[in-house]
Amino acid sequence: GESVGLHLPTLSVQEGDNSIINCAYSNSASDYFIWYKQESGKGPQFIIDIRSNMDKRQGQRVTVLLNKTVKHLSLQIAATQPGDSAVYFCAERAGYGGSQGNLIFGKGTKLSVKP
Amino acid sequence: NAGVTQTPKFQVLKTGQSMTLQCAQDMNHNSMYWYRQDPGMGLRLIYYSASEGTTDKGEVPNGYNVSRLNKREFSLRLESAAPSQTSVYFCASSSQTDTGELFFGEGSRLTVL
Repeated sequence: GESVGLHLPTLSVQEGDNSIINCAYSNSASDYFIWYKQESGKGPQFIIDIRSNMDKRQGQRVTVLLNKTVKHLSLQIAATQPGDSAVYFCAERAGYGGSQGNLIFGKGTKLSVKP
Repeated sequence: NAGVTQTPKFQVLKTGQSMTLQCAQDMNHNSMYWYRQDPGMGLRLIYYSASEGTTDKGEVPNGYNVSRLNKREFSLRLESAAPSQTSVYFCASSSQTDTGELFFGEGSRLTVL
């Protein structure tokens, strides 16, 4: 079946450094991926998405890379700030129903930024 | 704008009791969703409503029912709560079905004793 997992459950970085959060997926037919950020006590917040016809997509201080050959997704955060401390989830489209909002989430990586 | 509003934020139930979680969005979104989040896990889709007047099962629908009352409101009902339904519940909405950009509420923490 489909699964979305993460290589590392926790990641600690120094303020100002770049962060890389990794995610593996198992369904080679998956065609749409999303990254969410969840701060403590809050709901997830959309960061960036990427479709399978792309290898890279950039946002503000964030870049998502997709390697379909090895079924791997990564989120890069440039110049990490204390406000980036949160749990980051990758998600893929569930593949049922007509809605792209039907998502399968990974378990999350907790990013801690040291001042 | 308030975005997505969920009530209640906290609730404690005894096994077998029923309750309804309310959700409302003021962004004029067509699609709405209910997810649950268990400790150390990602979110799992319970039910969704792609548009007003339609509802469909997600990954973990057993023990739940939903009602899309109108375009703004999407409620989740537990008819007979079980300890396995202890979780944090998130409602979300999106403007259309071709995006995974969901707008989430702040969650409702439910404990079933």
